[in-house]
Amino acid sequence: NAGVTQTPKFRVLKTGQSMTLLCAQDMNHEYMYWYRQDPGMGLRLIHYSVGAGITDQGEVPNGYNVSRSTTEDFPLRLLSAAPSQTSVYFCASSSDRLDAFFGQGTRLTVV
Amino acid sequence: DQQVKQNSPSLSVQEGRISILNCDYTNSMFDYFLWYKKYPAEGPTFLISISSIKDKNEDGRFTVFLNKSAKHLSLHIVPSQPGDSAVYFCAASAPGGFKTIFGAGTRLFVKA
Repeated sequence: NAGVTQTPKFRVLKTGQSMTLLCAQDMNHEYMYWYRQDPGMGLRLIHYSVGAGITDQGEVPNGYNVSRSTTEDFPLRLLSAAPSQTSVYFCASSSDRLDAFFGQGTRLTVV
Repeated sequence: DQQVKQNSPSLSVQEGRISILNCDYTNSMFDYFLWYKKYPAEGPTFLISISSIKDKNEDGRFTVFLNKSAKHLSLHIVPSQPGDSAVYFCAASAPGGFKTIFGAGTRLFVKA
């Protein structure tokens, strides 16, 4: 049982480039989330999904897009990377609004 | 405006003693509170939670206390062990919502 798998683990992007952070879960969870972690800021919710085909914005959605075509996958897209998007990104899933399972994170640097 | 605040960036405790991690919140609509533990280069893992209808929840060495009037919760770890050294995040959510709000975290050092 892999849980929540994020790829890649590390990435360096140039300003203006685009990329997709992948997230897959094998627990059949309805709810999935993308967070970013910055020093002194805790984890901030970017986007979330309550089921296949349904997504909504979190606290800091600007500059990011998501889609949820299947229960298992919840990719996060950066359309035009900016240095302010340098962060550690965590994907998570849960079966209800209670405790969530997190992936190992993606460390992204935008130069 | 941070709705969930962990005012102590770090805490150092001797092995075997009690660790007390504190968390304050401002939104009176929060009805569910969670603590997560995070080791370096890993994702957070769920530790313990408490509903607003309770004032205490215990799980082994970990106990969470909730004081709704003060909008304050604390995590007690007794006895503390070196393996407990990690960053601890407090989190809260409101009824019907999925936007769990996290605090900035407290780094706990347990000295052997």
